[in-house]
Amino acid sequence: RKEVEQDPGPFNVPEGATVAFNCTYSNSASQSFFWYRQDCRKEPKLLMSVYSSGNEDGRFTAQLNRASQYISLLIRDSKLSDSATYLCVVIEGFQKLVFGTGTRLLVSP
Amino acid sequence: GAVVSQHPSWVICKSGTSVKIECRSLDFQATTMFWYRQFPKQSLMLMATSNEGSKATYEQGVEKDKFLINHASLTLSTLTVTSAHPEDSSFYICSARDSTNTDTQYFGPGTRLTVL
Repeated sequence: RKEVEQDPGPFNVPEGATVAFNCTYSNSASQSFFWYRQDCRKEPKLLMSVYSSGNEDGRFTAQLNRASQYISLLIRDSKLSDSATYLCVVIEGFQKLVFGTGTRLLVSP
Repeated sequence: GAVVSQHPSWVICKSGTSVKIECRSLDFQATTMFWYRQFPKQSLMLMATSNEGSKATYEQGVEKDKFLINHASLTLSTLTVTSAHPEDSSFYICSARDSTNTDTQYFGPGTRLTVL
């Protein structure tokens, strides 16, 4: 079983749609969780951290369910510029980032 | 925000040659840098953790004699792929952890290596 699993997609949605991604992790001792965004042939960029209480940043909402060991990302009012691969990231040990394979999002006009 | 650079951004080399990739933190000091590899349509995989002034820590399955890491200063880590083979072709990305803000890692733009 992979340490961090994501549905690879692609998710094809029209502009303005709401889309949600899920991610599951295997290490119950993991303490920190993030969503990164990666554009084609570019480095990943931090989108947002994920907290147990849930957190929101504009159109993006992240949630963590420790009991079920899953993390979610909700994007509202999708924009064309949201098209990218979204990476679920878990920190294990001392700052070791473990990446999921990513979920690809395609937003069309 | 903090900036991490990598050089070169892309490289094509012949099989059997060695390739050196540099990772620099431009406006902060990084006692720890990380080297990742990403094959097409796969996730980033941590190869090794590079600590300034000491030996790198390699992840399981990564050959330390093939992937030489040197972290001689607080702003520079290098990864040398020795005797490169076509299967080493990949996207190599480094990240650097700000010594004053250890919760945050900043990624370099990556180096695309193609071995013919």
